[in-house]
Amino acid sequence: DGGITQSPKYLFRKEGQNVTLSCEQNLNHDAMYWYRQDPGQGLRLIYYSQIVNDFQKGDIAEGYSVSREKKESFPLTVTSAQKNPTAFYLCASSQQGVRGYTFGSGTRLTVV
Amino acid sequence: DAKTTQPPSMDCAEGRAANLPCNHSTISGNEYVYWYRQIHSQGPQYIIHGLKNNETNEMASLIITEDRKSSTLILPHATLRDTAVYYCIVGGVQSAGNNRKLIWGLGTSLAVNP
Repeated sequence: DGGITQSPKYLFRKEGQNVTLSCEQNLNHDAMYWYRQDPGQGLRLIYYSQIVNDFQKGDIAEGYSVSREKKESFPLTVTSAQKNPTAFYLCASSQQGVRGYTFGSGTRLTVV
Repeated sequence: DAKTTQPPSMDCAEGRAANLPCNHSTISGNEYVYWYRQIHSQGPQYIIHGLKNNETNEMASLIITEDRKSSTLILPHATLRDTAVYYCIVGGVQSAGNNRKLIWGLGTSLAVNP
C-alpha cells in the first residue's frame, strides 16, 4: 500500500547532538512537508519542498535543515542550534490538485 | 491564507451524529475547506474537503453555507473510535510553482462517550 513512512517512532538524543529524522513516501507526490507539534498546539510548518532539489523555509525553520535529493525522500535534521527540539515531528506529502495532505505516523523526539 | 475558528471541545454520545462547526469568514473564492482528524500520538488523517457544494464520503459529510463563511462536519453515527482532535483548514489548489501551505489551528477535541 502507498503511504508515508517516518522512522524511528521514538528518538532520544543528548543535548547538543544533531539528529536526522527520516521521511519516505511511495505515493509519487511532488510536495513534501515537515511539521512540528507541541502539546496543546497546532501544527507548525518547518520546511516544505515542491520539487526535487528545491525547498523553502516554513514558519519555524531556525535550527533545522532539510534536503530533497530524491522525490521519495525528505529527511529533516534537527541541529544543536534548535533551542527546544523536544516535540512530535510530522512529515506529509501532497500531489497537485485539490486533495489534501497525507501524513506519516510521526516521530517523537526527546532531547535530554 | 484564511484562518478558521473552531470550538475547543465537544462531546457526543455513541451512536449519535456529531456535528462539528467551523467558521472561516475570510475564505477566498478559490480556497477549499479541508477536514482532518488526529488521534492521540498519530499523524492527522484526511477526512473530506469541499469548495461550495455539500460533500459526502464513507467517513463523513461536509455542509458548507451558501456564503462559504462557515461549514459543519457531520459524523452520522459516532463511535468511540471517532474520539480525536478535528481540524478545519482552508487552502487553495496546489499547482506547479504554487507554494500552497495549509495553516493549522488548535482544532476541536471531540469526545465520544458510551
